[in-house]
Amino acid sequence: EVQLVESGGNLVQPGGSLRLSCVASEFVLSGYEVNWVRQAPGKGLEWISYISGSGGTRYYADSVKGRFTISRDNAKNSVYLQMSGLRAEDTAVYYCARDQMIGASHTGALDIWGQGTMVTVSS
Amino acid sequence: SYELTQPPSVSVSPGQTARITCSGDTLPKKYAYWYQQKSGQAPVLVIYEDTKRPSGIPERFSGSSSGTMATLTISGAQVEDEGDYYCYSTDTSGNDRVFGGGTKLTVL
Repeated sequence: EVQLVESGGNLVQPGGSLRLSCVASEFVLSGYEVNWVRQAPGKGLEWISYISGSGGTRYYADSVKGRFTISRDNAKNSVYLQMSGLRAEDTAVYYCARDQMIGASHTGALDIWGQGTMVTVSS
Repeated sequence: SYELTQPPSVSVSPGQTARITCSGDTLPKKYAYWYQQKSGQAPVLVIYEDTKRPSGIPERFSGSSSGTMATLTISGAQVEDEGDYYCYSTDTSGNDRVFGGGTKLTVL
C-alpha cells in the first residue's frame, strides 16, 4: 500500500529540540514534493513547510521560520523536520503529506498523508 | 500573511445539498483544494484544482470557483459525510500554502 509513516513525536520541554521523520512505503519519494502540516489539539490544519523533490527549494510558514528545518534523504526514501526552540504553541499532531503528481505534472494537491505523530511541548 | 475564510459550521438534513464556501484574494489566480477530515483521522483530498475529483471520491462531491470564492458542494449529503472540511491554496508567489480555518459539516 502506498503510504507515508511519520515518527519521532514526543514530549519535550520548552526550548528543546526534536526531529521528525517521514518514510515512504511502496513508492519512490524522490519524485515528489513533500509538505509538513500540523494540527494543534482541537484546532484546524496549519501548513508549515515544503521541500522540492531534489531538496533544493524549501518554504516555511512564518510561525516556524528560523526554528524548523525541512530536509530529505532520497536514498532513505525519507523527509525530516528538525524542530528547535520549541514552544508550547508548537504542540500538535504533525503530518507529512505528498504533493500529487498526475503524469509529469504537479497538481499542488496533497494526495497522500501519513497518520501523524504527536509533539507535546511542556515542562 | 495570506488567509482563506470559511464558515465555522454548516448543517443539513440527509439528502439535502451542502455548500461550503472559501474566500481568498488570490483564488481568481490560484487553485483551491478541499480536504475532508473525520474525527481522529488524517485529512483526505476530495477536490483538487477547483473542480476535479480524485478517484474513489463519490460523485456527490463537486467543486467550483468564481472570483474570490471557491465552493465545495455535496449533493445529497449522507450521514457519513459529517466531518471537518478545509480549503487550501497558495499565496500569489505560489510559495506559501495556507488552509482555511475549517468548516464543521453536520448531517442530521
